[in-house]
Amino acid sequence: AQTVTQSQPEMSVQEAETVTLSCTYDTSESDYYLFWYKQPPSRQMILVIRQEAYKQQNATENRFSVNFQKAAKSFSLKISDSQLGDAAMYFCAYRKSGGSNYKLTFGKGTLLTVNP
Amino acid sequence: KAGVTQTPRYLIKTRGQQVTLSCSPISGHRSVSWYQQTPGQGLQFLFEYFSETQRNKGNFPGRFSGRQFSNSRSEMNVSTLELGDSALYLCASSLAPGITYEQFFGPGTRLTVL
Repeated sequence: AQTVTQSQPEMSVQEAETVTLSCTYDTSESDYYLFWYKQPPSRQMILVIRQEAYKQQNATENRFSVNFQKAAKSFSLKISDSQLGDAAMYFCAYRKSGGSNYKLTFGKGTLLTVNP
Repeated sequence: KAGVTQTPRYLIKTRGQQVTLSCSPISGHRSVSWYQQTPGQGLQFLFEYFSETQRNKGNFPGRFSGRQFSNSRSEMNVSTLELGDSALYLCASSLAPGITYEQFFGPGTRLTVL
């Protein structure tokens, strides 16, 4: 079974600074997708960024980028120029490509606080 | 385009009762998945529906059930509620079940079992 581990329950960052959230996963699959979702307090979860495992190039979305290390099964999220609106719970998630079950497997989350 | 809507947003029930939660996907989306979010277990997959058929089910007891209607709206039902069923229940919709289709989440239904 696939597992996703986020070892940092909480992180904090100063506004305008850079922060990196860690995620490791375990799978025997070779083709899969990885995601970072953001869940602001009392608001719905939204997709921040996704990475296809077959792509070597790390995904980037504006201030958000990932460091995908397939051999190490590591998938960290870097947030540059942090803003107050980035404060949220961040979830790392895995979804396999093959078969018929496309469920998301989530980590336990990292609560990010942004200090002004 | 309206997002995923879930009703009700908050619900309080007592042990032994049953509850039905509703999810309306984004217009045109035909796949609906349900997740349970608790502080202890995190986010766990409940089930997925596509074209009124349950395609996949997570590791939850039979007290948890669901269905999907012809307009893609979905409901989930929990019978004989237990204290441990207190959670945020999230619904996510996508165009279809495939891996390339992004899942869009609703705001959730907060269920409290007393």
